[in-house]
Amino acid sequence: ELKVEQNPLFLSMQEGKNYTIYCNYSTTSDRLYWYRQDPGKSLESLFVLLSNGAVKQEGRLMASLDTKARLSTLHITAAVHDLSATYFCAVDMNNNAGNMLTFGGGTRLMVKP
Amino acid sequence: EAGVTQFPSHSVIEKGQTVTLRCDPISGHDNLYWYRRVMGKEIKFLLHFVKESKQDESGMPNNRFLAERTGGTYSTLKVQPAELEDSGVYFCASSPSSGGDVAKNIQYFGAGTRLSVL
Repeated sequence: ELKVEQNPLFLSMQEGKNYTIYCNYSTTSDRLYWYRQDPGKSLESLFVLLSNGAVKQEGRLMASLDTKARLSTLHITAAVHDLSATYFCAVDMNNNAGNMLTFGGGTRLMVKP
Repeated sequence: EAGVTQFPSHSVIEKGQTVTLRCDPISGHDNLYWYRRVMGKEIKFLLHFVKESKQDESGMPNNRFLAERTGGTYSTLKVQPAELEDSGVYFCASSPSSGGDVAKNIQYFGAGTRLSVL
């Protein structure tokens, strides 16, 4: 059974600081997703990482994937208040279309002015 | 383009009652998924439709849950009778047929229905 673990589950940080969220998974997978959720809103897709060594960046967020270590990271650079949200990583086990996602527990990020 | 919409956004019912949740996927998306997040736990897969057919219902907790997708458009998830442990947020997601393009495998989520069973 695929297990996905995120840490930390809660992160409070000051504006301008850097931090990393970690996502470990237990079974080989070549596709990992990062989503963002604002309270009461839908999960918004941030990144899709498809291969070992993949790195993607969007603004102050950068995601990477190490399939050998079964680890993905979401790095936050110079955090701003607008990044406050819950971040989820999710893995699917198959490269075919239409697969179930297995989610981590989510990291609730609070950026304080 | 309209996103995935779910109705209602919040439902409060008593134990033993019946509730039906509705999901309208993005138009043209063949794949439709239901997930659930019970408080304090991870988001868990419930089932997956391809058009009107159930592709995978391995995550459905028990036979009190019935999902349908008549005509391959919107879907409903009925809980009958509801129990206290059914409380949580029910998410629906959709994705198009990928045709081999992995970028199309992204699942687009609705805002969820928060179900409270008292």
